[in-house]
Formats: sequence, C-alpha cells, structure tokens
Amino acid sequence: KQEVTQIPAALSVPEGENLVLNCSFTDSAIYNLQWFRQDPGKGLTSLLLIQSSQREQTSGRLNASLDKSSGRSTLYIAASQPGDSATYLCAVLNGANNLFFGTGTRLTVIP
Amino acid sequence: ETGVTQTPRHLVMGMTNKKSLKCEQHLGHNAMYWYKQSAKKPLELMFVYSLEERVENNSVPSRFSPECPNSSHLFLHLHTLQPEDSALYLCASRTGTGGYTNYGYTFGSGTRLTVV
Repeated sequence: KQEVTQIPAALSVPEGENLVLNCSFTDSAIYNLQWFRQDPGKGLTSLLLIQSSQREQTSGRLNASLDKSSGRSTLYIAASQPGDSATYLCAVLNGANNLFFGTGTRLTVIP
Repeated sequence: ETGVTQTPRHLVMGMTNKKSLKCEQHLGHNAMYWYKQSAKKPLELMFVYSLEERVENNSVPSRFSPECPNSSHLFLHLHTLQPEDSALYLCASRTGTGGYTNYGYTFGSGTRLTVV
C-alpha cells in the first residue's frame, strides 16, 4: 500500500525566508502528485499538480519538483509571508485512481 | 470558494440522531468523493462515486450511508454515530476516473462534525 510521508511535521521560519517542504512516497508507480494548502478548520486548496512525466511546476512564489524514481517531491516557497502560514499536504494518485495523502507540514511564518 | 460547496460547515449531533451532509459542485466534474480527516491522521478515503454510481466503499461502517442523486450532488447520511466519528468530512470532485488521470482534485471546505 502506498505510504506518503511529509517532513518536517512542523516548521517555523521568519518572514522573508525561502523554505522547502519535503514529501516522499513508497510506490513510484504514480500518475500525478498534488500539493494542497489547508488553513485551520478549513478545506483543501490545490496549489500545484505535477504529472508523472513532469519534473516541476511553478506558480508564483511556489515551485514543486518531482523525482518519481526516488519517490520524492519538494515544495519550495520563496520569500515567505505570514499569509503562507497553513498546513501543506502532499497527495499522490496511483494506478487504481486512489489518492494517498501525507499527514502534512504545519508551517508558521513569523512576522 | 473552490467550486465545491459543503453544508453545513459545522454540525453537532447526539449518538442517536440522524443527519445528512451535503456536497454540491457545478464544475462539470463527474466523480465525487467523501474523505474523513481526523486529528494527526492522513485523509482517509470513504466513498467514490463515478457517473453517479458508487465505485468504491473503503470499508466504511454502515452508520455512514452515501447518496449521489446526480453528478452535481453528493450526500452523506449519518445515523447512530460514535464519538470517534467526530472529524472534518471533506467532499472532493474531479473530472472522471480511469483515463482522466491528468486532472487534479477540487475539495470543499468541509463539515466539522462533533458527535456528543
């Protein structure tokens, strides 16, 4: 069964810093990987979707990379802002069309 | 708003009550999902509907009963729940299943359920 791990579980950084969130998955046979943001008590907002054939996707200050063979993805956030504080979730879609989630990284950006 | 709307946002119910959660999307998606999010655990897939037919029931207790009357609406009927069922219940939709693997999921804001 696919297992998705996110490290670290929590991260605090001062405003303006660049940071990297990590995601690893045990089964490299995935169709795509999606990064989500979740604010406390709220639903999930999709940030970036990377197809299995792609190496990275960019949206504004966010850049997500995918190394399918090694089972890793990173989410890079440039010039962090207090509004970036949230939990970031990584999810992979396998061949059976099941979406597997990690437990997330809770990010706090300190003004 | 993401295009997937869930109501109510918060629900408190007793163990003997019957209630329903509602999910609605007008994104033209034809696959809809119920997920459960408990504290410190990954999101758990509960049910999958594709073209209004249930294609997956992920070993969910019968006290949870889904209904998909059309491709835009999904319900989760609840009865005789337990306190451990308290969680955030999230609805999601996407374009198809099977070959439509290039499309991501769109999630609603969730219903925070508390069973007392």
